[in-house]
Amino acid sequence: DSGVTQTPKHLITATGQRVTLRCSPRSGDLSVYWYQQSLDQGLQFLIQYYNGEERAKGNILERFSAQQFPDLHSELNLSSLELGDSALYFCASSVAGLGPDTAFGPGTRLTVL
Amino acid sequence: GQQLNQSPQSMFIQEGEDVSMNCTSSSIFNTWLWYKQEPGEGPVLLIALYKAGELTSNGRLTAQFGITRKDSFLNISASIPSDVGIYFCAGQGDYGGSQGNLIFGKGTKLSVKP
Repeated sequence: DSGVTQTPKHLITATGQRVTLRCSPRSGDLSVYWYQQSLDQGLQFLIQYYNGEERAKGNILERFSAQQFPDLHSELNLSSLELGDSALYFCASSVAGLGPDTAFGPGTRLTVL
Repeated sequence: GQQLNQSPQSMFIQEGEDVSMNCTSSSIFNTWLWYKQEPGEGPVLLIALYKAGELTSNGRLTAQFGITRKDSFLNISASIPSDVGIYFCAGQGDYGGSQGNLIFGKGTKLSVKP
């Protein structure tokens, strides 16, 4: 158990819909990162938040957004879903920057039909 | 942008065999990390490398940070069925970069036949 929790574990929805993925970081960690993992692309960095503020942005689509709340949990919102958005979405957390102390959650598997 | 080339993409080996996989990059990294991901789980850190030329072991796993800081390899000796999974390399660059400071290879899928 990494200490990072993600809900839901599985999500099945239809194209055009909107979903919210939730992440609770490991206790004491201030940074939260979101990654997308699809079969042919490996782990793609989406966005990082540190103590409530956006810190770094990766290949995140405009249809996607995220936020980190005062209690440090984070939500990733995916809207106008397309078939190609089907993937595993991982949340990771660390004290500060990404590195050896980073812990990954178990992921949310999103299936868009 | 920075990219990591990880090879091989997949491996099918017999239990007891040794395994070797590597990652290369056109960019220099300050740290190399190796992760293992099992089905239905997130990546778990296996080994972290901090200095060029560093050789580090974790049980049957050995990893090395290349002298040029542009490559790394991971060896697994005497493989066992529970070694099955996807192994990722990751390079850590300058903090604050658009890649979130950690870039992942596409993974090596390891299958072990008992």
